[in-house]
Order: sequence, then structure tokens, then C-alpha cells
Amino acid sequence: QQQVKQSPQSLIVQKGGISIINCAYENTAFDYFPWYQQFPGKGPALLIAIRPDVSEKKEGRFTISFNKSAKQFSLHIMDSQPGDSATYFCAASMKAAGNKLTFGGGTRVLVKP
Amino acid sequence: DTAVSQTPKYLVTQMGNDKSIKCEQNLGHDTMYWYKQDSKKFLKIMFSYNNKELIINETVPNRFSPKSPDKAHLNLHINSLELGDSAVYFCASSQWAARLDEQYFGPGTRLTVT
Repeated sequence: QQQVKQSPQSLIVQKGGISIINCAYENTAFDYFPWYQQFPGKGPALLIAIRPDVSEKKEGRFTISFNKSAKQFSLHIMDSQPGDSATYFCAASMKAAGNKLTFGGGTRVLVKP
Repeated sequence: DTAVSQTPKYLVTQMGNDKSIKCEQNLGHDTMYWYKQDSKKFLKIMFSYNNKELIINETVPNRFSPKSPDKAHLNLHINSLELGDSAVYFCASSQWAARLDEQYFGPGTRLTVT
């Protein structure tokens, strides 16, 4: 049972465009929702995170939108740059489960110059 | 000044061998994790230690045995390696006591079993 579903699997966007990645979760006990960015050959790096009591969080060009009733959250990358080309993972965790991260399947983003 | 480091970065070995991967963090965190990333890039938790105590043990074959000698180190020993163990293994750490959920990942160890 995949508790966090991520879409699309891959995304091509032109430089300056907006990249949008969506995630849906099953377990309403999740209380922390991070996004990770992973470049080839590197470990996942924490990009931005949100808690369910907030509907939106913005850090620079990256914004998380959170819809608690729909059990969905999304990552928007504004003014996408070629350097943003990477694999993005959404995840969810809960204190009651030892904070283990349950990851979505990943989205490979390619930003064309 | 690497926050979470792993050794080795690459490990190539034959089926049936026993190998270990080491992880160290210098962030002062009290909780460490092992994640496995398969060939399709899917990331899954394996183990977690808090203050040297095992708190998460997912459905992992008992050929995998983690060991935490102190809060800053978490090692993973794998016995009788199988082809299906080929993957990238990531160590991560966080600060549980401060109720901070951010997990920081190491660079990974790519294990190839032939």
C-alpha cells in the first residue's frame, strides 16, 4: 500500500516556467510534509517543508500548497532554471511512527534552457 | 565539515559476502536512520536509532543488522549478500529531542552485488 502518491513521474518545463508536482497521502496522522531535491549521485536534500496547520509556505522560488481536507499537497517551482533539473520527492512523517519518512515515488524535472 | 558522511561511497561485492557501511554525523543530532533507494529511485526506511536505541525496524531481512555505537554513528552490516540487495543506501539524521523533524541525508553508498 503506497501511502504517499506522487505525480507526474517526469516533467519537462521551459526555463522561466512553473513546475508543479502533486502528492496525495492516505494517513491523516501524518504531521510533517517535506520536499526533497536529489541530484544524480547525491543524497536527497531538504528543500522546504510544511505542517498541516498551514495552507501555504513559500521560500524563494519554491512554494508548498497544502489541502488538508483533500489530503493533498503540491510543490510549485516558479521561474524554473536549468539548475533546478533534478528528482523531487515529497514525503510525510508522524511523530507517533518515529518520524520515519514515507516517500512518494519521485518526479524527474528537466528544465530546458 | 560534512554534516552526514558515509563510507564507502561505492561497494562492489559478490553474492554471499558480508559487508558493512558506516555513517557519521557531526550535527549533534540524537536520531539516525537508514534508507534504501532501489533502482527505480524509490526511497524506503529501513531502521532508525534514537540515542543508540533501535526505534524503527521495518520489514527488513535479518541479514541486515544496524549498530549504533554512539549518537553520532550508525553502521549497517549486511550478511550473505544477495543480488536484490543492490541499491543505494542513505544514512540520515535528525534532532528528535528538540521536536525538529528535519532529516539530513548523507551522500549515499552504492552497493552492487554481482
